[in-house]
Amino acid sequence: DAGVIQSPRHEVTEMGQEVTLRCKPISGHNSLFWYRQTMMRGLELLIYFNNNVPIDDSGMPEDRFSAKMPNASFSTLKIQPSEPRDSAVYFCASNRDRGAKNIQYFGAGTRLSVL
Amino acid sequence: GESVGLHLPTLSVQEGDNSIINCAYSNSASDYFIWYKQESGKGPQFIIDIRSNMDKRQGQRVTVLLNKTVKHLSLQIAATQPGDSAVYFCAENGSGYSTLTFGKGTMLLVSP
Repeated sequence: DAGVIQSPRHEVTEMGQEVTLRCKPISGHNSLFWYRQTMMRGLELLIYFNNNVPIDDSGMPEDRFSAKMPNASFSTLKIQPSEPRDSAVYFCASNRDRGAKNIQYFGAGTRLSVL
Repeated sequence: GESVGLHLPTLSVQEGDNSIINCAYSNSASDYFIWYKQESGKGPQFIIDIRSNMDKRQGQRVTVLLNKTVKHLSLQIAATQPGDSAVYFCAENGSGYSTLTFGKGTMLLVSP
């Protein structure tokens, strides 16, 4: 199994530009999670999907952030317009929804730098 | 003003020692816990999990202990190796179905 695949691994952009992060979950997993990790706030859950449907987006910091999951094998997290404070590592994780066991498998992350 | 970063607790050990990493969780209703390991430049990796109906679970070189009375979780690593150097996170099942709530993490430094 290839694991959760994220792209790009690194993104450097200028303030005001649109940024799109991509995630391919593990095949057969039906829940997908987007996290942001910073030194200030640690690992924060932004949004999660179950069976391609957004369940809880209360962690999305602002309207500048949006996420989609058009099918079971692909999700995007978009920031428009980006700001320097969005600089962080963004992780995608997936799991096979089995009720009591919530082991999430993480991708390698996208390191975003907004100048 | 100067920003204050997240100061991770750090545990420094010598290669071959046993390591114990501790975690206090907040929700007495949590019934499932996981330990993750995050190496530099990588995503968190699953190490071991435990359900609340157990107080101990062993894996390969790792043991997780759960004390529900004081809401405390610990990860023991036997014969620590330099490759164990990483940040370790505990996680409990969160308020949302299928979600996890992560702790702040502990950095383990293993010197040869």
